[in-house]
Amino acid sequence: NAGVTQTPKFQVLKTGQSMTLQCAQDMNHEYMSWYRQDPGMGLRLIHYSVGAGITDQGEVPNGYNVSRSTTEDFPLRLLSAAPSQTSVYFCASIRDGRGYGYTFGSGTRLTVV
Amino acid sequence: GENVEQHPSTLSVQEGDSAVIKCTYSDSASNYFPWYKQELGKRPQLIIDIRSNVGEKKDQRIAVTLNKTAKHFSLHITETQPEDSAVYFCAAMRGGYQKVTFGTGTKLQVIP
Repeated sequence: NAGVTQTPKFQVLKTGQSMTLQCAQDMNHEYMSWYRQDPGMGLRLIHYSVGAGITDQGEVPNGYNVSRSTTEDFPLRLLSAAPSQTSVYFCASIRDGRGYGYTFGSGTRLTVV
Repeated sequence: GENVEQHPSTLSVQEGDSAVIKCTYSDSASNYFPWYKQELGKRPQLIIDIRSNVGEKKDQRIAVTLNKTAKHFSLHITETQPEDSAVYFCAAMRGGYQKVTFGTGTKLQVIP
């Protein structure tokens, strides 16, 4: 049981490039989310999914796309990277809506130059 | 939507003293309040949580209290140790829905 696995751990992009951050969980969790963490701003929700085929926007969705074709995977796509997207990204999952606390991935540190 | 405010943003205590971090929330429908600890360069990890039908919960040196009327909840760490040094996040969540709103974090430093 690996929990929540994120790849890559580090990435440097040039402005305008696109890329996909991968997230996978093996706990059969229904709910998955992407957060970004910036100094002094805590964790802000980008997108979330309540199950396969269902996604919705969070607090800061602009510039990001997601899809949930399977229960296990929830990739985050940066369409055209901007310096403002330099951040640490965390994927997280939770078993169900009753709330037992998120399990976070190890994070991806992204730098856009 | 939900808004969670967390204070203080930084906190320094002497080893062995107690530390208290406070959070307020705005959505009266929120009914689940987890606390996370994040060590430098690592992922946030759940350390304790409380539901709205409970006023207090303890786990060894850590306790959380909830005042639903005032819409605030607090984390209490007693007999602090250097390994308690980290950033702590509070969060609020509505039951049946996984959208969690986090506070902005408190950097706790325990001075040996």
